[in-house]
Amino acid sequence: DSGVTQTPKHLITATGQRVTLRCSPRSGDLSVYWYQQSLDQGLQFLIQYYNGEERAKGNILERFSAQQFPDLHSELNLSSLELGDSALYFCASSETGVLNTEAFFGQGTRLTVV
Amino acid sequence: AQKVTQAQTEISVVEKEDVTLDCVYETRDTTYYLFWYKQPPSGELVFLIRRNSFDEQNEISGRYSWNFQKSTSSFNFTITASQVVDSAVYFCALSEEGDKIIFGKGTRLHILP
Repeated sequence: DSGVTQTPKHLITATGQRVTLRCSPRSGDLSVYWYQQSLDQGLQFLIQYYNGEERAKGNILERFSAQQFPDLHSELNLSSLELGDSALYFCASSETGVLNTEAFFGQGTRLTVV
Repeated sequence: AQKVTQAQTEISVVEKEDVTLDCVYETRDTTYYLFWYKQPPSGELVFLIRRNSFDEQNEISGRYSWNFQKSTSSFNFTITASQVVDSAVYFCALSEEGDKIIFGKGTRLHILP
């Protein structure tokens, strides 16, 4: 158990809808990272938050947004969903704001868009 | 730009055989970090090792060993006396100083009983 909690584990929704994925980092970790794992693109970095502030941005679509709350949990919002958004979404956390530290990953949320 | 190549898409070996997973990386930085992660069928990503660019010493942890060679930009992973529980997808990853972790496409390893 990595200590990173993601909910829900599975999500099925229709095209055009909006969903929110939630991540609770390990106790004491200030940084949260979001990754998308799809069959064709592999594991892609989306975005990082550190202590409530956006720290780094990767291949995140404009339809997607994220935030980190004062209690350090983070939410990834996906809107106007398309079939291609079906993927496994991972959250990771680390103690510092530097991405090359040891990052602990949650179990992921599997999103299926139908 | 940073890049990680895992040329082996899928490998199958019989239990108790040794197997090496290859990883080649590209970076312009002199300071960088290399990782290996395991993704078992259950789906979570399990951290295996992190190595910084200044430490070329090979590492052994039980049946796992890692060979880091800067001259060939490789960070290969060997499982000795493989077991069925080692069946998983293994990802090699690279992070430049202060930058995001970039993953390779992964190698799916099947250990046959």
